[in-house]
Amino acid sequence: AQSVAQPEDQVNVAEGNPLTVKCTYSVSGNPYLFWYVQYPNRGLQFLLKYITGDNLVKGSYGFEAEFNKSQTSFHLKKPSALVSDSALYFCAVREGSYQKVTFGTGTKLQVIP
Amino acid sequence: GAVVSQHPSWVICKSGTSVKIECRSLDFQATTMFWYRQFPKQSLMLMATSNEGSKATYEQGVEKDKFLINHASLTLSTLTVTSAHPEDSSFYICSARDPSTSARTGELFFGEGSRLTVL
Repeated sequence: AQSVAQPEDQVNVAEGNPLTVKCTYSVSGNPYLFWYVQYPNRGLQFLLKYITGDNLVKGSYGFEAEFNKSQTSFHLKKPSALVSDSALYFCAVREGSYQKVTFGTGTKLQVIP
Repeated sequence: GAVVSQHPSWVICKSGTSVKIECRSLDFQATTMFWYRQFPKQSLMLMATSNEGSKATYEQGVEKDKFLINHASLTLSTLTVTSAHPEDSSFYICSARDPSTSARTGELFFGEGSRLTVL
């Protein structure tokens, strides 16, 4: 079975500093990995995905994520955090052509002015 | 990107009544839609997979008679919470894949969610 873990419930970072939101996954085959962001009382917005190719994936709003197969990780990063980045971030995994996407428990990012 | 619209955004109802939530794919046809429930400060719980023209596939522990799902067209799926009770109060979110892209790559496009409060 596929699974994904986000070890941090909350991450606090000062505005302008780099941020990292951690994610590790477990699948038996090749992973399709995703990051989504959720603002209060809103649906999820797609940020970026890794399917194949370069391990460093660039996405929306200046975010990027690095796929590390040996560590089974897909951490979300941004070089300089903005207050507007404060939101709930979800990592998700899909195994190959398997229909279902499994979400992590979410990490609340708080960017402090 | 593909747009999924969900309506209503907020609904308050009395205990014992039924509430219908609509999920529409606006610029693509979605043969499959997904319904999630999100509790405060928790992740999304997949409730069911809605398949156009056939019965929905429910996840273990989800009452199919309580949460009726209908996917009558390629652009519309509905979730009806029947005989709602306060414990059904939650944030319900639908999602869909755009077959032209995400059927292969897997990303989901989400509706804005519906906040249900049962008094």
